[in-house]
Amino acid sequence: EVQLVESGGGLVQPGGSLRLSCAASGFTFSSYWMSWVRQAPGKGLEWVANIKQDGSEKYYVDSVKGRFTISRDNAKNSLYLQMNSLRAEDTAVYYCARGPVRGGPTYWGQGTLVTVSS
Amino acid sequence: DVVMTQSPLSLPVTLGQPASISCRSTQSLVYSDGNTYLNWFQQRPGQSPRRLIYKVSNRDSGVPDRFSGSGSGTDFTLKISRVEAEDVGVYYCMQGTHWPFTFGPGTKVDIK
Repeated sequence: EVQLVESGGGLVQPGGSLRLSCAASGFTFSSYWMSWVRQAPGKGLEWVANIKQDGSEKYYVDSVKGRFTISRDNAKNSLYLQMNSLRAEDTAVYYCARGPVRGGPTYWGQGTLVTVSS
Repeated sequence: DVVMTQSPLSLPVTLGQPASISCRSTQSLVYSDGNTYLNWFQQRPGQSPRRLIYKVSNRDSGVPDRFSGSGSGTDFTLKISRVEAEDVGVYYCMQGTHWPFTFGPGTKVDIK
C-alpha cells in the first residue's frame, strides 16, 4: 500500500525557517517525480515544487523561488521541503504528492500544517 | 501563468440528478507530446485530494463510471451522471501542461 506521511509542520514566526519531511513507502520511491502542493486554510490548491526522480531537475512556483528548496533522499525514501524567510501567506497545509506530475498526482499524504504568525 | 477558471463555484444538486462543472484555461493545454494534461480532483471534507480523471477523459481505477470528463484545447467539463451522497466535496481542475501547474478555484458540490 502506498503511503506518504508528512511531518515537520508547526508554528513559526515571520522570517523563520522550517523543514518539512515526507516518508514514502509501498512503492519504488526513486522511480517517481515528487511534488509539494499546499492549501491555505479554507482556500484552493497551489502547486509549490516538483523534483525529478534523481533530483537533477527542480521546479518552483514563483512565490517561493529563492526561499524554498525541494530535495529528496532516495536511499531513505524521503522527500523534503526546506522553507526559509517564511511569510504569513505561506500559512497552509502542505501535501506531499507522488507523480506523475503532468497527469496529476495519484497519491497524496494527509498534509502537515504550517502556520506563520507572530 | 495559465489561469484556470471553473463554473459554477457552488453547485447544489439533488440526489440522483446529474451535475456538470466547466473548466476553462487561458492557454491551450495541448502539450508538445500531443497529450492534453487536464486533470480533475475531488476533495471530500477533511480529506486530501484524490485524482478522478487524467488527461481530459481517463478515469482512475476505482472511480465510479458516473464520473466522466470531456473537452479539448481550453474548454473542459466534468460530469456526474447521477449524484450520490458520497460525491459531496470540492472539485478542482488542474493543468499539467505549462509550468507552474495550476488548479482551478474549485467547485463545491453539495446536496440540496
